[in-house]
Order: sequence, then C-alpha cells, then structure tokens
Amino acid sequence: DAKTTQPTSMDCAEGRAANLPCNHSTISGNEYVYWYRQIHSQGPQYIIHGLKNNETNEMASLIITEDRKSSTLILPHATLRDTAVYYCIVRVASQGGSEKLVFGKGTKLTVNP
Amino acid sequence: KAGVTQTPRYLIKTRGQQVTLSCSPISGHRSVSWYQQTPGQGLQFLFEYFSETQRNKGNFPGRFSGRQFSNSRSEMNVSTLELGDSALYLCASSPPGALYGYTFGSGTRLTVV
Repeated sequence: DAKTTQPTSMDCAEGRAANLPCNHSTISGNEYVYWYRQIHSQGPQYIIHGLKNNETNEMASLIITEDRKSSTLILPHATLRDTAVYYCIVRVASQGGSEKLVFGKGTKLTVNP
Repeated sequence: KAGVTQTPRYLIKTRGQQVTLSCSPISGHRSVSWYQQTPGQGLQFLFEYFSETQRNKGNFPGRFSGRQFSNSRSEMNVSTLELGDSALYLCASSPPGALYGYTFGSGTRLTVV
C-alpha cells in the first residue's frame, strides 16, 4: 500500500501558485519524498524529490515539514499545461538494493483559465 | 538525449494469446522497471531489472514475466491473456544510484478482446 495520503482533487487559477499537500506520517529516516505528475495517457514525469531540506528546481518547490510527516509541492505560476495527476511517493527500498515506486491515487490538479 | 522508448504504442490481442512488449532505456541507465496502470488499480509495480537480473517483483501472477538484455533493453511478456490484462504498461529507467528520479516512457496501451 502507498505510504502517502493526498487530496483527490484540487483546482487552481491560471497564473496563481498551486500548493499540493501530501501526508506521509510513517516515513522512515532514510526515505525520500518524490513527486511525479502524469498528464493524461502519458507516462509519469519526475518533478522533484527531497529528504529533509526544502528543494527547488525549474519546475517546482518542495517544502518538507521539520518532522517530515508531510510535504507540499508548489507550482509557483500554474499554467493550463500543469493540469495533471500529481503523485507524492515515499521511495521504498527493497531487498537487493532495488527500489520500486508505490503509487497512490494522487491528486488531480485542474488549472482553470 | 533520447528518452525511454516503448514499442509498440498500441496493441490489440485476443484472450488466450501472448504478448511481448519492448522497452529501450535511456543510454547509460541500467535499471529498468515495469508498471501496469488500470483505471481500477492505478499504477502498480510489476518488476525491476538491473544488469540482466530481476531484483524485485510485484504481486502479479506468473503469466507476467520479463527479461533484460546486455544492452539494458528490456522486454516483458504476458502469456494466456485475460480481459483484465487490458492496461497501459509503462517502462521506467534510472541511472546507477538510488537518488535519481525514474524516467518513464509513454507506455504501451494493450487491449485484450
């Protein structure tokens, strides 16, 4: 089962910041938080990841609470092309050094004109 | 650089048949993972290969199998197809190292009739 909880859907006005929350209260100390998004019928796209510090790249910012039990993905100026399902994932390490992604249902973000 | 390439993009098969899907990872990526996406179950991990060895396997029946070649290209096979196998099959690759995000292909849409 996914170790994260996200709202089912959110709306955002074009040009405004989109703040997508994620709860991961059972996260372990060495587990990272990853965010992906999936635009309809395409493969998921990596956005950003972090361990405990806030992170920023050209796509988004990731804010992780001090206790690491929740995080927020911020799209600073949402566009219509940001309409997608956003997945928050805690990276699960498996035996043998391999890792798999356990996807939850994600948040369907709709950016409105 | 070229992304993850999956072929074919679309496939229609009949119940009882078998199918082979192909995935070419990004050059230099040695880890290849496969995922199944259906409307009901969402994205589910099938298996992961690294250096021609299966390192991790999801909870799928033995009809689902895969392999990886020395050039890191991977194939997955589904035998005795069932209607419930209709799904989007996604391949993802990642470079060595646990911290990098996975890059997904656009997937193969399999329809079983």
